[in-house]
Amino acid sequence: EAQVTQNPRYLITVTGKKLTVTCSQNMNHEYMSWYRQDPGLGLRQIYYSMNVEVTDKGDVPEGYKVSRKEKRNFPLILESPSPNQTSLYFCASSTRTGASYEQYFGPGTRLTVT
Amino acid sequence: AQTVTQSQPEMSVQEAETVTLSCTYDTSESDYYLFWYKQPPSRQMILVIRQEAYKQQNATENRFSVNFQKAAKSFSLKISDSQLGDAAMYFCAYRSPYTGANSKLTFGKGITLSVRP
Repeated sequence: EAQVTQNPRYLITVTGKKLTVTCSQNMNHEYMSWYRQDPGLGLRQIYYSMNVEVTDKGDVPEGYKVSRKEKRNFPLILESPSPNQTSLYFCASSTRTGASYEQYFGPGTRLTVT
Repeated sequence: AQTVTQSQPEMSVQEAETVTLSCTYDTSESDYYLFWYKQPPSRQMILVIRQEAYKQQNATENRFSVNFQKAAKSFSLKISDSQLGDAAMYFCAYRSPYTGANSKLTFGKGITLSVRP
């Protein structure tokens, strides 16, 4: 089954404790992206990657890091989480071919930073 | 930069009735893609329907259809024969074909649709 997986699905942590949210896709997609969803703001892009070892900032990259060492994986790293990073996070992937480049979303990770 | 506006935060519809969700966008581009996503309580993002701006014909997917008005920069979603399972948050999204490596989606704030039995 074609899918994007994220782990963990729920995470409660404390300020300053480094964490990683993993994202993996099994569709051989070149493009992967992270979004955060906040009430009243919709989804906003954090970082994206067009292929292995190629990453770049989205609209709200502050406080986040990413890496793309393998095509299927695109982890999101919060080196020193703060309460304003409490949010719902989505990983998405898509192929670079096709007229509409449909993006496939993971199930989301609910992060709470206290 | 492109923006997407969903001005109605909430709507309600009677089961089996029709409801229209509004979306407007701002862009200087002539070619682009528009999407409606559904987010049920499970939080999964589900693609409902897409529209290519170069196509004049409005997209339809079963009970879901759009009214795409390019000149007015309007992209509304019509849900016919509403079902209880349609209750969710709906997001309108825009994607530019001119962003190089970044296929990012620009989302509106979303609208919460409730369905009354």
